Amino acid sequence: AQSVTQLDSHVSVSEGTPVLLRCNYSSSYSPSLFWYVQHPNKGLQLLLKYTSAATLVKGINGFEAEFKKSETSFHLTKPSAHMSDAAEYFCVVSEYNQGGKLIFGQGTELSVKP
Amino acid sequence: NAGVTQTPKFRVLKTGQSMTLLCAQDMNHEYMYWYRQDPGMGLRLIHYSVGEGTTAKGEVPDGYNVSRLKKQNFLLGLESAAPSQTSVYFCASSYMPRTGGSGDTQYFGPGTRLTVL
Repeated sequence: AQSVTQLDSHVSVSEGTPVLLRCNYSSSYSPSLFWYVQHPNKGLQLLLKYTSAATLVKGINGFEAEFKKSETSFHLTKPSAHMSDAAEYFCVVSEYNQGGKLIFGQGTELSVKP
Repeated sequence: NAGVTQTPKFRVLKTGQSMTLLCAQDMNHEYMYWYRQDPGMGLRLIHYSVGEGTTAKGEVPDGYNVSRLKKQNFLLGLESAAPSQTSVYFCASSYMPRTGGSGDTQYFGPGTRLTVL
């Protein structure tokens, strides 16, 4: 069965410093992998998506993620944090042959200090 | 193009009351989903639908029913609300997931915050 583990429940960075949010996954098939962001009291917004076309995926707002099959990881990074990046981030796996169902990680709350 | 909309945004129920949450999408998506979000648990799938007139159980279906009478609408019902159903409910939709990862991006509504007293 597929699963997603976000290795940190909370990450705190200073504005202007790099962001690293870690995600490991387990999947029996070739998965699609996503990162979604949720700002307080808001819905979920797609940041980026991996579908096997390229291992380095660029998303919105300067975020990118690298798919590493050997490590079963899909970590999210950003070179320089902005105050507006403070939010909850979810790593998600989908398998097309399972009705497109998404399996969510528990989430990582990102805090950005001035 | 409104995307995915949910009605209502907030609701307070007493134990044993019933209610229906409405999800609507205007993207002509085949697939629709209902999730609940609880603190520290991410989102968990309640029920989903792969097309008009079809529904299927997700990870946490107990206490909920759904209907997909029209392609653009997906209803979530609580027949007898319980405090354990206090949560934020999200609806999502997508095209038909296919090999190679196309079509499986899900688009989410803004959520419904439900409190059961």
